[in-house]
Formats: sequence, structure tokens, C-alpha cells
Amino acid sequence: DVKVTQSSRYLVKRTGEKVFLECVQDMDHENMFWYRQDPGLGLRLIYFSYDVKMKEKGDIPEGYSVSREKKERFSLILESASTNQTSMYLCASSLRMFGRPLRLNTEAFFGQGTRLTVV
Amino acid sequence: GDSVTQMEGPVTLSEEAFLTINCTYTATGYPSLFWYVQYPGEGLQLLLKATKADDKGSNKGFEATYRKETTSFHLEKGSVQVSDSAVYFCALRSANAGGTSYGKLTFGQGTILTVHP
Repeated sequence: DVKVTQSSRYLVKRTGEKVFLECVQDMDHENMFWYRQDPGLGLRLIYFSYDVKMKEKGDIPEGYSVSREKKERFSLILESASTNQTSMYLCASSLRMFGRPLRLNTEAFFGQGTRLTVV
Repeated sequence: GDSVTQMEGPVTLSEEAFLTINCTYTATGYPSLFWYVQYPGEGLQLLLKATKADDKGSNKGFEATYRKETTSFHLEKGSVQVSDSAVYFCALRSANAGGTSYGKLTFGQGTILTVHP
């Protein structure tokens, strides 16, 4: 079974702290994603990566950065945490099929989520 | 840009009732469509998917048909159970102009379903 593991289920941090959220997947997937989930807003894409050291901004990248030094690990960094970053953070991964029809791309697999509270 | 709109929730049903959760989308190109489910305290799991027009996805008694003419992908189940209580997300994945995709998903806002015995 594919496993996407997030390092923490719950985190409480202070305003202004630098926060690291870690995600590891064990299925050799090229694509990895960070979403945040807020009530009434669904999931919104923060950043994604389609290869080691590659990163692309999603829809709401402000206040965040990412790091992908190894294929299996994708880190989300809050440079200076603020209260409006209190949220549920979900990591996901998927396999990318180079040169194949889009419909052959695999589903995205999600981690359990990290509930971050910034006080 | 791409967008997904789900019916407003929460939805509360009695066991064995019929379920419909509406989902409509806006996208360029030829999107694939998904329903994900999130049980309490867990991450998202893929429930079903459809990759082209008129495809029907089905799983665990749930069904959804990809309707290109109405840009819809409504989720249905004939008889819900208490164990179906969860948050349901409609999502789409579309390709860029070059025909490739990095697998990005665009989600609807989610619909909370509660089923009572």
C-alpha cells in the first residue's frame, strides 16, 4: 500500500516562529503536493513539486516555502508563522507518467494531515 | 482558471435514504474528475473517478457520471449507512496546453454528510 506520512498530527507554534512540516512517501512518486484545508474553502494548493529540487507555486504560496532535496521527502516551511496560517495541512503524492495520456496518471494519495495552531 | 462548485452542506440523512451531492466544474481542456472522502480524523481517500465524458465511476455503492454537456459530476448512493458519515470533496485535474499534467487537483469546498440510525 502507498503510504504518505506526515511527521506530526498536531502542532502548536508561536507567532513569528519558523515552522517545518515534513512529508515522506514510500512509492517513488515524482509528484508531491502541499494543500491547506479550511472549513468552507475546501483544499487549496500551496506548492507542488514534480521532481527533486523542482518546485512550483500553487494558488496560495504567500508566506510559505518548500524544499525537495530527496524524491521521497517534501517539506513545507512557514518562514514566520502567523495566526492566519492556523489550519489543517495535507500532503499528497502521485505518480507522473511521462508522455502518456493524462488519464493514465495515478490518483493522488494523501497523508493524515497536520493540524497547525499558531498562537 | 479551473474551479469546482459543490452543493452547500451540511447534509443530514437517515440510514437507507438516497444521497445526492451536486458538483459542477469549470475547466479548460479535458479534465479528469474525482470524488474524495475524508472520514473523521483521517486524510483524504479516493472514492471514485472518471477520466472522460460519459464515464461512470463507482465504488462502495457510490456512483458519479461525467457529464460534459452540463459540466457536472454528481455523487449518488441509493442507500446510505451511518458509516458513510464523512466529508466529501469533488475535484478535477486538467492538463496544460502541452497535454501534460503534474497531477494538480482543484477541489470544491467539501460537503459534510451525517447519517443518523
